[in-house]
Amino acid sequence: AQSVAQPEDQVNVAEGNPLTVKCTYSVSGNPYLFWYVQYPNRGLQFLLKYITGDNLVKGSYGFEAEFNKSQTSFHLKKPSALVSDSALYFCALRMDSSYKLIFGSGTRLLVRP
Amino acid sequence: EAGVAQSPRYKIIEKRQSVAFWCNPISGHATLYWYQQILGQGPKLLIQFQNNGVVDDSQLPKDRFSAERLKGVDSTLKIQPAKLEDSAVYLCASRSNARAYEQYFGPGTRLTVT
Repeated sequence: AQSVAQPEDQVNVAEGNPLTVKCTYSVSGNPYLFWYVQYPNRGLQFLLKYITGDNLVKGSYGFEAEFNKSQTSFHLKKPSALVSDSALYFCALRMDSSYKLIFGSGTRLLVRP
Repeated sequence: EAGVAQSPRYKIIEKRQSVAFWCNPISGHATLYWYQQILGQGPKLLIQFQNNGVVDDSQLPKDRFSAERLKGVDSTLKIQPAKLEDSAVYLCASRSNARAYEQYFGPGTRLTVT
Protein backbone atom coordinates (compact mmCIF):
# COMPACT_ATOMS: atom_id res chain seq x y z
CA ALA A 1 0.00 0.00 0.00
CA GLN A 2 1.15 3.49 -0.75
CA SER A 3 1.71 5.75 2.21
CA VAL A 4 3.58 8.77 3.44
CA ALA A 5 4.77 9.41 6.98
CA GLN A 6 5.97 12.45 8.85
CA PRO A 7 7.63 11.14 12.00
CA GLU A 8 7.81 14.45 13.86
CA ASP A 9 4.74 16.28 15.12
CA GLN A 10 6.77 19.42 15.75
CA VAL A 11 10.17 20.79 14.86
CA ASN A 12 11.71 23.66 16.78
CA VAL A 13 14.57 25.71 15.40
CA ALA A 14 16.17 29.06 16.08
CA GLU A 15 15.98 31.79 13.47
CA GLY A 16 19.00 31.71 11.20
CA ASN A 17 19.68 28.01 11.77
CA PRO A 18 19.11 25.36 9.13
CA LEU A 19 15.89 23.39 9.32
CA THR A 20 14.84 19.92 8.23
CA VAL A 21 11.33 18.50 8.19
CA LYS A 22 11.27 14.78 7.59
CA CYS A 23 9.13 12.70 5.28
CA THR A 24 9.30 9.04 4.32
CA TYR A 25 7.20 7.22 1.79
CA SER A 26 6.18 3.79 0.62
CA VAL A 27 5.12 3.23 -2.98
CA SER A 28 5.25 0.62 -5.66
CA GLY A 29 6.72 2.19 -8.74
CA ASN A 30 8.11 5.68 -9.17
CA PRO A 31 7.18 8.17 -6.47
CA TYR A 32 5.80 11.61 -7.14
CA LEU A 33 6.29 13.67 -3.99
CA PHE A 34 5.18 17.10 -2.86
CA TRP A 35 5.49 19.54 0.00
CA TYR A 36 2.73 21.93 1.01
CA VAL A 37 2.64 24.57 3.74
CA GLN A 38 -0.41 25.71 5.69
CA TYR A 39 -0.57 29.00 7.55
CA PRO A 40 -3.28 29.58 10.17
CA ASN A 41 -6.75 30.00 8.70
CA ARG A 42 -5.44 29.59 5.19
CA GLY A 43 -5.44 26.83 2.65
CA LEU A 44 -2.45 24.74 1.71
CA GLN A 45 0.17 26.34 -0.50
CA PHE A 46 2.32 24.34 -2.89
CA LEU A 47 6.04 24.54 -2.09
CA LEU A 48 7.77 22.07 -4.38
CA LYS A 49 7.57 18.72 -6.10
CA TYR A 50 9.74 15.81 -7.15
CA ILE A 51 8.72 14.04 -10.33
CA THR A 52 11.98 12.86 -11.83
CA GLY A 53 15.53 14.06 -12.40
CA ASP A 54 17.77 15.86 -9.95
CA ASN A 55 17.41 14.58 -6.39
CA LEU A 56 17.63 18.10 -4.97
CA VAL A 57 14.51 20.05 -5.75
CA LYS A 58 14.23 23.79 -5.18
CA GLY A 59 10.94 25.43 -4.38
CA SER A 60 9.28 28.57 -3.08
CA TYR A 61 10.49 30.80 -0.23
CA GLY A 62 14.01 29.33 -0.26
CA PHE A 63 12.92 25.80 0.56
CA GLU A 64 14.40 22.74 -1.03
CA ALA A 65 13.92 19.02 -0.65
CA GLU A 66 16.18 16.06 -1.12
CA PHE A 67 14.84 12.89 -2.67
CA ASN A 68 16.61 9.75 -1.46
CA LYS A 69 15.42 6.59 -3.15
CA SER A 70 17.44 4.15 -1.05
CA GLN A 71 16.09 5.63 2.18
CA THR A 72 12.63 6.31 0.70
CA SER A 73 12.77 9.83 2.07
CA PHE A 74 11.92 13.31 0.85
CA HIS A 75 13.06 15.70 3.57
CA LEU A 76 12.29 19.41 3.37
CA LYS A 77 15.18 21.75 4.10
CA LYS A 78 16.08 25.39 4.33
CA PRO A 79 19.57 26.73 5.02
CA SER A 80 18.46 29.61 7.25
CA ALA A 81 15.08 29.61 8.99
CA LEU A 82 12.89 32.68 9.38
CA VAL A 83 10.30 33.30 12.07
CA SER A 84 7.78 33.69 9.25
CA ASP A 85 8.45 30.07 8.23
CA SER A 86 6.52 28.95 11.30
CA ALA A 87 3.59 26.96 9.94
CA LEU A 88 2.24 23.46 9.36
CA TYR A 89 4.03 21.46 6.68
CA PHE A 90 2.60 18.51 4.80
CA CYS A 91 4.34 15.95 2.67
CA ALA A 92 2.19 14.32 -0.01
CA LEU A 93 2.42 11.42 -2.42
CA ARG A 94 0.64 11.16 -5.73
CA MET A 95 -1.39 7.99 -5.84
CA ASP A 96 -2.06 7.31 -9.47
CA SER A 97 -2.77 8.80 -12.87
CA SER A 98 -5.69 10.74 -11.45
CA TYR A 99 -3.19 12.95 -9.60
CA LYS A 100 -4.90 12.08 -6.33
CA LEU A 101 -2.72 12.97 -3.34
CA ILE A 102 -2.36 11.32 0.01
CA PHE A 103 -0.98 13.53 2.73
CA GLY A 104 1.13 12.89 5.77
CA SER A 105 -0.13 13.92 9.18
CA GLY A 106 1.79 17.17 9.11
CA THR A 107 4.69 18.67 11.03
CA ARG A 108 4.42 21.94 12.88
CA LEU A 109 7.50 24.06 12.42
CA LEU A 110 8.21 26.64 15.10
CA VAL A 111 11.02 29.09 14.45
CA ARG A 112 11.92 31.10 17.53
CA PRO A 113 13.53 34.53 17.28
CA GLU B 1 -5.41 35.33 -11.04
CA ALA B 2 -8.01 34.86 -8.33
CA GLY B 3 -7.57 31.87 -6.07
CA VAL B 4 -9.98 29.16 -5.04
CA ALA B 5 -12.91 30.68 -3.17
CA GLN B 6 -14.89 28.91 -0.47
CA SER B 7 -17.82 29.86 1.68
CA PRO B 8 -18.75 30.00 4.41
CA ARG B 9 -15.45 30.20 6.28
CA TYR B 10 -16.97 28.94 9.51
CA LYS B 11 -20.10 27.01 10.36
CA ILE B 12 -21.47 25.68 13.62
CA ILE B 13 -24.39 23.28 13.56
CA GLU B 14 -25.98 20.72 15.82
CA LYS B 15 -25.75 17.03 15.09
CA ARG B 16 -28.39 15.71 12.74
CA GLN B 17 -28.68 19.08 11.02
CA SER B 18 -27.65 19.59 7.41
CA VAL B 19 -24.99 21.89 6.00
CA ALA B 20 -23.66 22.87 2.59
CA PHE B 21 -20.32 24.25 1.49
CA TRP B 22 -19.58 26.09 -1.71
CA CYS B 23 -16.42 26.20 -3.81
CA ASN B 24 -15.49 28.31 -6.82
CA PRO B 25 -12.26 27.00 -8.39
CA ILE B 26 -9.71 28.97 -10.31
CA SER B 27 -11.07 29.90 -13.72
CA GLY B 28 -10.30 27.29 -16.33
CA HIS B 29 -9.38 24.55 -13.89
CA ALA B 30 -11.13 21.40 -15.01
CA THR B 31 -10.33 19.28 -11.97
CA LEU B 32 -11.82 19.99 -8.57
CA TYR B 33 -11.22 18.20 -5.27
CA TRP B 34 -12.92 18.21 -1.89
CA TYR B 35 -10.80 17.22 1.11
CA GLN B 36 -11.65 16.69 4.75
CA GLN B 37 -8.98 17.75 7.26
CA ILE B 38 -9.61 16.60 10.80
CA LEU B 39 -7.63 18.40 13.49
CA GLY B 40 -4.14 16.93 13.77
CA GLN B 41 -4.34 15.04 10.50
CA GLY B 42 -3.50 15.64 6.90
CA PRO B 43 -6.21 16.33 4.35
CA LYS B 44 -8.11 13.28 3.12
CA LEU B 45 -9.66 13.25 -0.33
CA LEU B 46 -13.44 12.95 -0.35
CA ILE B 47 -14.27 13.41 -4.01
CA GLN B 48 -12.64 14.41 -7.28
CA PHE B 49 -14.41 15.95 -10.27
CA GLN B 50 -13.20 16.27 -13.82
CA ASN B 51 -15.38 18.98 -15.34
CA ASN B 52 -18.84 17.97 -14.12
CA GLY B 53 -18.14 14.25 -13.83
CA VAL B 54 -17.04 12.33 -10.76
CA VAL B 55 -13.61 10.70 -11.11
CA ASP B 56 -13.23 9.30 -7.61
CA ASP B 57 -15.65 9.27 -4.70
CA SER B 58 -14.41 6.12 -3.02
CA GLN B 59 -13.75 7.92 0.27
CA LEU B 60 -17.02 9.84 0.37
CA PRO B 61 -19.48 8.59 3.04
CA LYS B 62 -22.36 8.46 0.62
CA ASP B 63 -25.00 7.78 3.23
CA ARG B 64 -24.62 11.34 4.46
CA PHE B 65 -22.32 13.25 2.11
CA SER B 66 -23.12 14.40 -1.39
CA ALA B 67 -21.38 16.67 -3.86
CA GLU B 68 -22.14 18.11 -7.23
CA ARG B 69 -20.55 20.23 -9.89
CA LEU B 70 -23.40 20.75 -12.28
CA LYS B 71 -21.88 23.12 -14.84
CA GLY B 72 -18.29 22.05 -14.43
CA VAL B 73 -17.36 25.19 -12.48
CA ASP B 74 -18.74 25.76 -8.95
CA SER B 75 -19.22 22.86 -6.62
CA THR B 76 -21.21 22.22 -3.47
CA LEU B 77 -20.59 19.65 -0.78
CA LYS B 78 -23.48 18.72 1.48
CA ILE B 79 -23.70 16.78 4.73
CA GLN B 80 -27.08 15.48 5.85
CA PRO B 81 -27.40 14.59 8.67
CA ALA B 82 -24.21 15.75 10.34
CA LYS B 83 -22.45 13.76 13.03
CA LEU B 84 -20.03 14.93 15.68
CA GLU B 85 -17.15 13.26 13.86
CA ASP B 86 -17.77 15.45 10.82
CA SER B 87 -16.18 18.36 12.67
CA ALA B 88 -13.27 19.27 10.44
CA VAL B 89 -11.99 21.75 7.90
CA TYR B 90 -13.32 21.10 4.41
CA LEU B 91 -10.87 22.13 1.75
CA CYS B 92 -11.56 22.63 -1.91
CA ALA B 93 -8.73 22.45 -4.43
CA SER B 94 -8.45 22.76 -8.17
CA ARG B 95 -5.85 22.15 -10.82
CA SER B 96 -5.41 22.78 -14.49
CA ASN B 97 -4.42 20.31 -17.15
CA ALA B 98 -1.45 22.49 -18.06
CA ARG B 99 0.10 22.31 -14.59
CA ALA B 100 -1.25 18.95 -13.61
CA TYR B 101 1.03 18.40 -10.63
CA GLU B 102 -0.02 21.47 -8.70
CA GLN B 103 -3.24 21.65 -6.75
CA TYR B 104 -4.40 25.08 -5.57
CA PHE B 105 -6.29 25.10 -2.30
CA GLY B 106 -8.97 27.39 -0.99
CA PRO B 107 -8.95 28.69 2.62
CA GLY B 108 -11.35 26.00 3.77
CA THR B 109 -14.58 25.89 5.73
CA ARG B 110 -14.23 25.04 9.39
CA LEU B 111 -17.25 22.98 10.49
CA THR B 112 -18.07 22.41 14.13
CA VAL B 113 -20.82 19.93 14.93
CA THR B 114 -22.13 20.14 18.51
